[in-house]
Amino acid sequence: NAGVMQNPRHLVRRRGQEARLRCSPMKGHSHVYWYRQLPEEGLKFMVYLQKENIIDESGMPKERFSAEFPKEGPSILRIQQVVRGDSAAYFCASSPGDSSYNEQFFGPGTRLTVL
Amino acid sequence: GENVEQHPSTLSVQEGDSAVIKCTYSDSASNYFPWYKQELGKRPQLIIDIRSNVGEKKDQRIAVTLNKTAKHFSLHITETQPEDSAVYFCAANHGNQFYFGTGTSLTVIP
Repeated sequence: NAGVMQNPRHLVRRRGQEARLRCSPMKGHSHVYWYRQLPEEGLKFMVYLQKENIIDESGMPKERFSAEFPKEGPSILRIQQVVRGDSAAYFCASSPGDSSYNEQFFGPGTRLTVL
Repeated sequence: GENVEQHPSTLSVQEGDSAVIKCTYSDSASNYFPWYKQELGKRPQLIIDIRSNVGEKKDQRIAVTLNKTAKHFSLHITETQPEDSAVYFCAANHGNQFYFGTGTSLTVIP
C-alpha cells in the first residue's frame, strides 16, 4: 500500500512564475490537507479538501494561492506569481475521513525554492 | 478555534535519560491527539497517538498521557538514544481539523 505521494520533490521557480505541487493521497483516503513549513518552524495549516470540495481554506493566503482535489487525479496546490517568501517545504497529508478518529499521514514534501 | 501550545521548544538530554514534551489545548471537543517525529529534511512521521477515551498509551520506549480535565497531554521517551534526536510535534484533532503545536527540537547527547 503506497503512502502519500508528492511531486515534484524539489521545485525551483523564478519570481513571477507559477508553481504547481501535486499530492496523491493514500489509497482509500478521501481527505487531503496542505501545510507549509518554513525552515526550523512548525507546520502551518493551509487548506483542507475532500474530493471536489474545499472544506477549510482559512490558512491559505487570499491571493495567488489556490487548491483543488478533483474527482480523478491528485490534489493540486497552485501558487501563481511566486515571490521569494513562498520558498518553503509544502507537505500534504491524507486521512480516511470515515470515522471520528482520523489518523493523518504525511507525504515527503515538495521543497520550493524561488530565485 | 483550537489553540495548541507546546513546550519546551528545545530540549537536550543525555543518552539514556528520559525526555518529556508537554502540550496544552483549548477545545474540549478535541478527541484525538497524535504525536509526530520529523527528522531533518524528512516528512513528519506518526509515532504514537491517544484518543480521548483513554488516559495513557505506551509503545516500547514511548508513552503518551492525556489529562482531559486539564486539557493537556504529554509525550514521554525513556532510555533515549541518539536516533531519537528530531523535532517532535503534537497535534489535537476535532472532526477533520488538525491543529499542530510549534514543535520541540530534541537533542540526545551521546
